[in-house]
Amino acid sequence: AQKVTQAQTEISVVEKEDVTLDCVYETRDTTYYLFWYKQPPSGELVFLIRRNSFDEQNEISGRYSWNFQKSTSSFNFTITASQVVDSAVYFCALSEAGTASKLTFGTGTRLQVTL
Amino acid sequence: DAGVTQSPTHLIKTRGQQVTLRCSPKSGHDTVSWYQQALGQGPQFIFQYYEEEERQRGNFPDRFSGHQFPNYSSELNVNALLLGDSALYLCASSLFQGPDTQYFGPGTRLTVL
Repeated sequence: AQKVTQAQTEISVVEKEDVTLDCVYETRDTTYYLFWYKQPPSGELVFLIRRNSFDEQNEISGRYSWNFQKSTSSFNFTITASQVVDSAVYFCALSEAGTASKLTFGTGTRLQVTL
Repeated sequence: DAGVTQSPTHLIKTRGQQVTLRCSPKSGHDTVSWYQQALGQGPQFIFQYYEEEERQRGNFPDRFSGHQFPNYSSELNVNALLLGDSALYLCASSLFQGPDTQYFGPGTRLTVL
């Protein structure tokens, strides 16, 4: 069975601080996909990134970066120089390989960025 | 390019009633998945539709059923509503020939009194 753990329930930072959101996953599959979604107060889940299990290269997109480590089954997300607009709940998710597979989500980390 | 749309935005029902939620997928997508998100929790997979058939199902009772139409839009039906069915219901669309990223709609907030 697949499982995603986001141990940090809530994080509060002051604007311009860097923050890392942790994600640990469990799966028996050798090929799988990892995702991060952002859920602002409006409720809609906004897709941020997808990572394939066979590609451990870290990725940077503007102030966002992702660290994928298969050896520790982790897929952590770092926001550099956080801004108030980054305040949201962030979800890590996992899907198995194959056609249109379901997503297994973690419980989310609520990030509060204050001035 | 229109994204995923859902209706209604909010819904209030009483126990025992039935409800129908609707979803239109993102343009070009052929697969619709439904998720239930209870307050403070991550979304839980309900089921997925492709070619008007249910392809996968999560751990939800038969009270939860769905349908997909030829234009790829979908409905989620819940019968005999329970208080515990109160949640945000999210629809996601994608391409069946994957792997493909699922894109989510704004959700329908269902309150059961």
